[in-house]
Amino acid sequence: GQQLNQSPQSMFIQEGEDVSMNCTSSSIFNTWLWYKQDPGEGPVLLIALYKAGELTSNGRLTAQFGITRKDSFLNISASIPSDVGIYFCAGQRRGSQGNLIFGKGTKLSVKP
Amino acid sequence: DVKVTQSSRYLVKRTGEKVFLECVQDMDHENMFWYRQDPGLGLRLIYFSYDVKMKEKGDIPEGYSVSREKKERFSLILESASTNQTSMYLCASGQPGGSGGENIQYFGAGTRLSVL
Repeated sequence: GQQLNQSPQSMFIQEGEDVSMNCTSSSIFNTWLWYKQDPGEGPVLLIALYKAGELTSNGRLTAQFGITRKDSFLNISASIPSDVGIYFCAGQRRGSQGNLIFGKGTKLSVKP
Repeated sequence: DVKVTQSSRYLVKRTGEKVFLECVQDMDHENMFWYRQDPGLGLRLIYFSYDVKMKEKGDIPEGYSVSREKKERFSLILESASTNQTSMYLCASGQPGGSGGENIQYFGAGTRLSVL
């Protein structure tokens, strides 16, 4: 099945730094979602985006739905140790009845 | 809060055993999904269901079957477990588009299955 191109695969950053990751696709999506997965747990929804150009924040997290409808990015400002985990993007194409296509994830490590 | 509960966090089974993974959701969601997650491969869809007694194959259905006798419960069955089915299994539920909370899938905590 199709997967989204998510980059980078991994990041090692210093506490306090900002983080940016993105997902791209060759298909148009009508929904973009960003999830975080802590070690040994299931993914938890961070942000949902439904309109091209939409910019949404959740605390230190900001995500945008690309205007071409084929990409999305997630920014984390002033990272802290508990930001460690794997971040997944997920997209849904029109008419796919709720099925999502997932990126392979960005593994974030934060050095105190 | 939405709750998706997977019956076991860890399971160890022998090759050839029949394995049942159970998932229950409490939000009256119509859609339910089973994924497996392996390092470097991301989440891969095994089976999904849009309604009671309905099932659809995902990207990697071989070696698996599912059962959805009640709306809140979706079971994944490994008919004859093999070592290459050692993985993290994630269940999710959600509503179809146009019904509010569009397309969001809520995940359980996962079942880490080891087949020896």
